[in-house]
Amino acid sequence: ETGVTQSPTHLIKTRGQQVTLRCSSQSGHNTVSWYQQALGQGPQFIFQYYREEENGRGNFPPRFSGLQFPNYSSELNVNALELDDSALYLCASSLTSEQYFGPGTRLTVT
Amino acid sequence: GQNIDQPTEMTATEGAIVQINCTYQTSGFNGLFWYQQHAGEAPTFLSYNVLDGLEEKGRFSSFLSRSKGYSYLLLKELQMKDSASYLCAVREGNNDMRFGAGTRLTVKP
Repeated sequence: ETGVTQSPTHLIKTRGQQVTLRCSSQSGHNTVSWYQQALGQGPQFIFQYYREEENGRGNFPPRFSGLQFPNYSSELNVNALELDDSALYLCASSLTSEQYFGPGTRLTVT
Repeated sequence: GQNIDQPTEMTATEGAIVQINCTYQTSGFNGLFWYQQHAGEAPTFLSYNVLDGLEEKGRFSSFLSRSKGYSYLLLKELQMKDSASYLCAVREGNNDMRFGAGTRLTVKP
């Protein structure tokens, strides 16, 4: 157990819809990173938040957006869902270099 | 762009030693990480190298050569529970973390 929680565990959405995924970081961790992991692949970096500001972004379109709250929890929002967005979405919290991953949200887009 | 290459699959015997290699190309290196991921679970942190050399942590060690763009993860005294995917990841200066596709290790009795 890493102390990082994510909700929901599983989610099914229809193409074109919008989705919000949530992450609670480990106590005291001020940095949250989000990743997309397709089956059989390594995680792909979406973006990172540090003290409520975006602090790095991977190669994802603007319809992937996020927020970090004063308690360092975070949300990932995806608009205009596409079939290829079906994946495991992982968040990881950190204070130093070591990242602690949550269990992930499995998103299926139909 | 940045490539991270690691073998797709490896097999080893319980009690043996296995070395998983990772080569990378990056424009702004800021650390190399190894993670373990069991099927259906989230990755767990194993090691972090930012300077050249060997970092040892119990049965696991990780080596880095920045000039060669090369790292390896060494697992000693293999146990059945070590069967998992091992992910190599490189962090760039802009905090972008790039993961390899992972090496699936199978430990056999």
